[in-house]
Amino acid sequence: GAGVSQSPRYKVAKRGQDVALRCDPISGHVSLFWYQQALGQGPEFLTYFQNEAQLDKSGLPSDRFFAERPEGSVSTLKIQRTQQEDSAVYLCASSLANRGMNTEAFFGQGTRLTVV
Amino acid sequence: AQTVTQSQPEMSVQEAETVTLSCTYDTSENNYYLFWYKQPPSRQMILVIRQEAYKQQNATENRFSVNFQKAAKSFSLKISDSQLGDTAMYFCAFIRYNQGGKLIFGQGTELSVKP
Repeated sequence: GAGVSQSPRYKVAKRGQDVALRCDPISGHVSLFWYQQALGQGPEFLTYFQNEAQLDKSGLPSDRFFAERPEGSVSTLKIQRTQQEDSAVYLCASSLANRGMNTEAFFGQGTRLTVV
Repeated sequence: AQTVTQSQPEMSVQEAETVTLSCTYDTSENNYYLFWYKQPPSRQMILVIRQEAYKQQNATENRFSVNFQKAAKSFSLKISDSQLGDTAMYFCAFIRYNQGGKLIFGQGTELSVKP
């Protein structure tokens, strides 16, 4: 497709369940980012990939959060043993150049995760 | 640490009028970028305008323009000739030069354009 695609759009998980969120960046985009957006808040940075290398994971809130991009294209954000505070919209973005957000980044529509 | 503050949780404007959204930020860096993003109900963040800190000239994109005051650390967005499709959440964001992916967002301003 022409844009960043995220799936699923909505996910309801029982507390303690593991979830996997998928991001398909724009073809050829080198940089990929994950953000977490709580209700009524601005997005907060989670992690950043340049190709398959995870250059910054300083925003991951706990060791229950794990992200990967093994072939430098599709990325998966995994959350283990979900907690209610994990409920949020998870946004993925990608950009063409290897200068990260300094060049224009394109966002997907996000995955809304609700933990019950 | 860098912070971004948007002090207007909600704003409204009549169609065809002009509205200004405020943003202030705090940083000790000299080289950075500032952005305004629009987030409609579809949740997709859309880049509205960006400003490089080293450029003195204010950025302009059609009906959107910024007033960048580097010394005051202020970065306001002016929307001229407001349209119903401008209704959305607007986020101001900051990134240090060569920081990679770590955009720092403000809390957002919900803009309603009324017919």
